[in-house]
Amino acid sequence: SAVISQKPSRDICQRGTSLTIQCQVDSQVTMMFWYRQQPGQSLTLIATANQGSEATYESGFVIDKFPISRPNLTFSTLTVSNMSPEDSSIYLCSVEANYRDRIYNEQFFGPGTRLTVL
Amino acid sequence: TQLLEQSPQFLSIQEGENLTVYCNSSSVFSSLQWYRQEPGEGPVLLVTVVTGGEVKKLKRLTFQFGDARKDSSLHITAAQPGDTGLYLCAGARSSGNTGKLIFGQGTTLQVKP
Repeated sequence: SAVISQKPSRDICQRGTSLTIQCQVDSQVTMMFWYRQQPGQSLTLIATANQGSEATYESGFVIDKFPISRPNLTFSTLTVSNMSPEDSSIYLCSVEANYRDRIYNEQFFGPGTRLTVL
Repeated sequence: TQLLEQSPQFLSIQEGENLTVYCNSSSVFSSLQWYRQEPGEGPVLLVTVVTGGEVKKLKRLTFQFGDARKDSSLHITAAQPGDTGLYLCAGARSSGNTGKLIFGQGTTLQVKP
């Protein structure tokens, strides 16, 4: 399994500001994913971030609002731009396991970043 | 459109009781995972099933993949307070392996001592 860390673990931000969330993996991985989750609810995929290519965004999410960087195989950032209270959520990064055949599509998750926008 | 219907969404039971969580879809999945998440942490993978009819056991947890690979169930025997958490099923669509997972709505389980 992969060990994934996220920074910050939580933050309280003012409306209109931006926050960059970092995701660090202890091994090289091809596919990384960014999710949003309301406490106690399911996960919503924001985008898929593959090294060397532009991130692929899901319906309802745009690059201007959630720019993503993927500079190498162990690191990615997600920025939440021009924040509003509706952006208050838990943001999670995940990676696809490399050690199994891709048919398994298993993902390992970071601990999440709890964001509150005032 | 929710492609993976998970039920029930909330479950509160006494220690020692049995329970089953269901995940249903009209779509076929090449694989299906079950995750457990505790407050303040990310989801942790419990099991992956890939073969229709497959049954996997993890201590008191039994996971089953439907014959047609459209549904799955998680059965917990003699639940313990340590089983408390959010359980999520997630599937990978069989057509076009993009790596993306479709998640169910989640089941919040509370096991009272």
